[in-house]
Amino acid sequence: ETGVTQTPRHLVMGMTNKKSLKCEQHLGHNAMYWYKQSAKKPLELMFVYSLEERVENNSVPSRFSPECPNSSHLFLHLHTLQPEDSALYLCASSQDLNLGYEQYFGPGTRLTVT
Amino acid sequence: TQLLEQSPQFLSIQEGENLTVYCNSSSVFSSLQWYRQEPGEGPVLLVTVVTGGEVKKLKRLTFQFGDARKDSSLHITAAQPGDTGLYLCAGGRLITGTASKLTFGTGTRLQVTL
Repeated sequence: ETGVTQTPRHLVMGMTNKKSLKCEQHLGHNAMYWYKQSAKKPLELMFVYSLEERVENNSVPSRFSPECPNSSHLFLHLHTLQPEDSALYLCASSQDLNLGYEQYFGPGTRLTVT
Repeated sequence: TQLLEQSPQFLSIQEGENLTVYCNSSSVFSSLQWYRQEPGEGPVLLVTVVTGGEVKKLKRLTFQFGDARKDSSLHITAAQPGDTGLYLCAGGRLITGTASKLTFGTGTRLQVTL
C-alpha cells in the first residue's frame, strides 16, 4: 500500500466509448503524474501536475484529457481511443517537483481497447 | 529524446548467484533512481543517487552512479526469489526552475529461481 489508489484496476472499452480513470493520493503531496506502460516501450510520462496546474504535457494525443480538481485527485478522461492505447496506466505522486523526491506509484489501471 | 538503455533485458538466475544490471545513456542526468516493480503493482523506489561516482548499499543491493552521471549499475549479491521483478532506472532532469521530471529506462526483468 503506497498511499496512491487507482480505479478501476481493469477496464475494457470500445473505440467509441468515453471512460475516465481516477487516481487519489493520501500522502499530502503537491505533484501528481500520469504514466503509460506498454509491453515493448519504456515507462512514458504523459502529464505532470503541480498544485493542480499542468506543468508538462508530453505530446500526448488529445483523446487523452487530464483533470486535476485538487492536489489529492487526478483524472484521465478517455475518448475515441485506438487499440494501440491498450496499456497499463500508472498514476504517481511526489512531495514536490524538486529533484530527488521519491515518486509513489499506484497499482495502475490495465486498459484494453477493443 | 533522452534514452536510458538497460541491459540485460531479461535475466533468469538461480538463488545465491550474483548479478549486475546496467543503465546507460548519452545524456547527463542530475539524479538517478532505481525502482522495482512486481506484477500487478506500480514501481517502488529503491534508491536515489545524485553525485557522480556515488555508491549506495541497501542490504544485498549496491548501486553506483557513473562519474559523468550518464550511467548507473545495480549489483545484487546472493540473489533470492524475493528479488524477482522488473528493475527500472530513471534519470531526473530539470524542466523549469526547480521542477524536475523522470525519464525511465527500458527495464530489466529478473527471475530468481530456487
